[in-house]
Amino acid sequence: AQSVTQLGSHVSVSEGALVLLRCNYSSSVPPYLFWYVQYPNQGLQLLLKYTSAATLVKGINGFEAEFKKSETSFHLTKPSAHMSDAAEYFCAVSETYDMRFGAGTRLTVKP
Amino acid sequence: GAVVSQHPSRVICKSGTSVKIECRSLDFQATTMFWYRQFPKQSLMLMATSNEGSKATYEQGVEKDKFLINHASLTLSTLTVTSAHPEDSSFYICSAQLGERGTDTQYFGPGTRLTVL
Repeated sequence: AQSVTQLGSHVSVSEGALVLLRCNYSSSVPPYLFWYVQYPNQGLQLLLKYTSAATLVKGINGFEAEFKKSETSFHLTKPSAHMSDAAEYFCAVSETYDMRFGAGTRLTVKP
Repeated sequence: GAVVSQHPSRVICKSGTSVKIECRSLDFQATTMFWYRQFPKQSLMLMATSNEGSKATYEQGVEKDKFLINHASLTLSTLTVTSAHPEDSSFYICSAQLGERGTDTQYFGPGTRLTVL
């Protein structure tokens, strides 16, 4: 069965600094991979998804993620953090159905 | 850690029948629960936000009368798919938000796979 591990439950960066949120997955078949963001009191919003096309996936709000099969990773990055990026981020894996989530990483952005 | 359960994990029903899916927070009180659905190889779609003791807030395009949500207690929310049709076949996931503060994280149930024949 597929699973996801997010390294670091909390990440803090300064405004303008690089954002790196780590995600490693396990899947028995080529997976579909997702990053979602959750703002307070709201449901998940899709940031980006990997569906076996280009390994570097660009999403909304300047985020991107790179699928690395050899490392079973799908880390999320953004070159320059903005205060509005402060939120909780979830990595998820799905083989067809049955999406599985990581535990989430809370991103704090300091002025 | 916090645990959210869903029941049933899989259900097959005939077209025209209604199906109820339960979402429970087992070791914490959840003032807010979210319901999502996932089509094959697609991302999640938020259906509704459920707050204990009040009516659910549905996303645009989601039929309130078809997808009935009840959040009767701080540990239980139910989604009832009324008069189910084959196009309702999907994977339904709930999540529960720990605590009352908006900054608390949410925890996901294992999902329910609904197949309507």
